[in-house]
This record gives sequence, structure tokens and C-alpha cells, in this order.
Amino acid sequence: DQQVKQNSPSLSVQEGRISILNCDYTNSMFDYFLWYKKYPAEGPTFLISISSIKDKNEDGRFTVFLNKSAKHLSLHIVPSQPGDSAVYFCAASASGGTSYGKLTFGQGTILTVHP
Amino acid sequence: SQTIHQWPATLVQPVGSPLSLECTVEGTSNPNLYWYRQAAGRGLQLLFYSVGIGQISSEVPQNLSASRPQDRQFILSSKKLLLSDSGFYLCAWDLGVYNEQFFGPGTRLTVL
Repeated sequence: DQQVKQNSPSLSVQEGRISILNCDYTNSMFDYFLWYKKYPAEGPTFLISISSIKDKNEDGRFTVFLNKSAKHLSLHIVPSQPGDSAVYFCAASASGGTSYGKLTFGQGTILTVHP
Repeated sequence: SQTIHQWPATLVQPVGSPLSLECTVEGTSNPNLYWYRQAAGRGLQLLFYSVGIGQISSEVPQNLSASRPQDRQFILSSKKLLLSDSGFYLCAWDLGVYNEQFFGPGTRLTVL
């Protein structure tokens, strides 16, 4: 059962344009969401996160939107740069009163930004 | 600042051989520690997590085990490797829920 889904395996965008990466989840207990960027043979790098009490969080060129009713979140990168080319993973966790954050990851979306 | 180390970076092992991957975190205390695996073309799957020394929780039944002998040390082991254990293994840490997890550089394991 895939609780976090990234339905687009890949996305190709022109430099300077907007990149929109999408993620859907099924577990209504998820209350914290994160986006990671990963290069081959490296560990994921944290980009941005959002808690379920918000619907938007912005950090520089990166903005994450959360639509709880639709169980959907998206990552917007504006403007896109060739260095943004990587695999992007969304992840979610359910606190449930615990002190640790087990992350459930999507399958990833390969973003390619063309010069 | 905090850093996380994993070694070795790459490993090629025959089927049936033992395994020991090590992860250490510097610059923080009492972290939660995690082991993930990324199989080829797949997302990251949580294998084990630990909220304290000697406390290990397993997420999926498998051929692997984990131990936490010290606060900032997390070890992934196997007595006998299977072909299906091949993958990219990642260690991560955080300081609790609603905190981002930080990942190590990973270990590429190939079982032949």
C-alpha cells in the first residue's frame, strides 16, 4: 500500500520557468510533510517542510503548498535552474503523540531543467 | 554543526557473507536514528529506527538487524546476505517529530 505517491516519474522544464512537482497521500494521520532533493549515489538533502496547520511555506525559490482536503501537496521551484536537476522525493510523517518522525517516502520524480 | 558519517561508501559482498554498516552522528545529543534502503528505481523504505541506546524498532521483516551501542552510533548488520539485500543504504537522524531528518552519504551494497 503506497501511502505517499508521486505519480509523475519525470518532469522536464526550461531554465527560468516554474517547476511544479506533485505528491498525493492517503493516510489522514500524516501531519508533517517534507521535500528532499537527491543526486545519484548521495543521501537526500532536505529542501523544505510544512506542517498540517499551514497551507503554504516559502523559502527562497521553493514553495510548498498543502491541500489537506485533497490530500495533496506540491513543490514549486521558481525560477528553475539547471542545478535543480535531481530526483525529488516527498515524504510524510504522523506524529501520533510520538517523539520520533518515521518518514514515508514517495517514489520520487526526476526533474530535468534544460538551459 | 552536525554531521553524519556512513562507511563504507561502497561494498561488494558474496551471498551468505556477513554485513556490518556503521553510521555515526556528530554535533548533537540524543538523536533519533534511522536506517533506510533505496532499491534500484524505488523510493526510500524505512528499515529500522531508534529513539535511544539499545532501543531498536523494525519496520519490515527482513534479513537484517540493527543495533545502537552508543548514543550517536547506529549499526546495520546481517549474518548471511541475500541477493535481495542489494541496494543503497542510508542512515538519517533527527531531534524529534516535526523536525527534518538529515541523511548520511549512503552505502552502495552489491550482493553477488
